[in-house]
Amino acid sequence: DQQVKQNSPSLSVQEGRISILNCDYTNSMFDYFLWYKKYPAEGPTFLISISSIKDKNEDGRFTVFLNKSAKHLSLHIVPSQPGDSAVYFCAASARTSGSRLTFGEGTQLTVNP
Amino acid sequence: EAQVTQNPRYLITVTGKKLTVTCSQNMNHEYMSWYRQDPGLGLRQIYYSMNVEVTDKGDVPEGYKVSRKEKRNFPLILESPSPNQTSLYFCASSLLTSGGQETQYFGPGTRLLVL
Repeated sequence: DQQVKQNSPSLSVQEGRISILNCDYTNSMFDYFLWYKKYPAEGPTFLISISSIKDKNEDGRFTVFLNKSAKHLSLHIVPSQPGDSAVYFCAASARTSGSRLTFGEGTQLTVNP
Repeated sequence: EAQVTQNPRYLITVTGKKLTVTCSQNMNHEYMSWYRQDPGLGLRQIYYSMNVEVTDKGDVPEGYKVSRKEKRNFPLILESPSPNQTSLYFCASSLLTSGGQETQYFGPGTRLLVL
């Protein structure tokens, strides 16, 4: 049972345009959400997070939106840069589960120059 | 430099030959975890540990063992590897919180091939 789903295995955008990566979850106990970025031959690195008490969190070019009623979150990258090309993982945690994270399948983002 | 290290980075072995993948962190983190990454399945948790001598199963623990004798080390043991354990493995660590709101730091990964 995949509790966190990223339905798009890949996304391709032009440099300078907006990248939108989507994530859906089923477990209503999740109350904290994170995005990790992964380059080839490296481990995932934390990018941005959002608590369930908020609906938006922004950090530079990266913004995460949370729609709790739809159990949906999205990561917006604007403007996209070729260096943003990586696999992006959505992850979720629940206060009742301590530090455990549940990850989605990942989306490969390619930003074309 | 704060980091999580894993060894080896690449390993080819044969079915049934016991192996250990080491993981070490220098950030004094209580929480450590092992994940495997497979195409189309994302990162799945194998085992985790909330402190020394405290370990618990994740989502896919079958065929794996772990130990946490020291705070900094969290080795992953495959007693009798099988081809379905061919995967990319990541170790991660973080401070321990009640809500998972501490950033998890990942090691560089260990690519394992079981023939």
